[in-house]
Amino acid sequence: SAVISQKPSRDICQRGTSLTIQCQVDSQVTMMFWYRQQPGQSLTLIATANQGSEATYESGFVIDKFPISRPNLTFSTLTVSNMSPEDSSIYLCSVIGQGAYEQYFGPGTRLTVT
Amino acid sequence: GDSVTQMEGPVTLSEEAFLTINCTYTATGYPSLFWYVQYPGEGLQLLLKATKADDKGSNKGFEATYRKETTSFHLEKGSVQVSDSAVYFCALSPYPTNTGNQFYFGTGTSLTVIP
Repeated sequence: SAVISQKPSRDICQRGTSLTIQCQVDSQVTMMFWYRQQPGQSLTLIATANQGSEATYESGFVIDKFPISRPNLTFSTLTVSNMSPEDSSIYLCSVIGQGAYEQYFGPGTRLTVT
Repeated sequence: GDSVTQMEGPVTLSEEAFLTINCTYTATGYPSLFWYVQYPGEGLQLLLKATKADDKGSNKGFEATYRKETTSFHLEKGSVQVSDSAVYFCALSPYPTNTGNQFYFGTGTSLTVIP
């Protein structure tokens, strides 16, 4: 299994500002994923982050709003830019386990935009 | 495309009651199936998995059997406890049918167990 940590665990931000969420994994992984979980909803994949290349965004998500960095095989950041109350969600990073059968999640970052 | 349909909640049970949360899937190949649990204020944790037909995943008293003939992966527990109160997500991975790493999640079922 993989142990994943995220910072911050929660934050309350003003409309129009940006927040960068960090994700650290205890082992080297090729692919990392960023999800959004809006209140009472399931998970929605935002993007897939590969080390050394541009992130791949899902439909409805764009790089200008959710820029992602992946500087090495154990770390990634997701920035939520120009925030609005609609961005209030839990943001989760995840990795695929060995053999690609399992996905492991970080504890999440609970974001509230006022 | 691949998808997961999960029983809607919320579900409220008394302690020691039997739990079933239904999950059915649609997939073009031979996916792997998972149940994840999310306790209040926490991220998702893998509860159990099954990677081929007729496999039974089990953990912490929970079980689910991969039924290809009914395309189902229902979660069961014989006697729930208050500590089982959480949201449960059924999920599908097309691997190893293809090399994609996209996981598909159900909408989640909220379970509350009352003493």
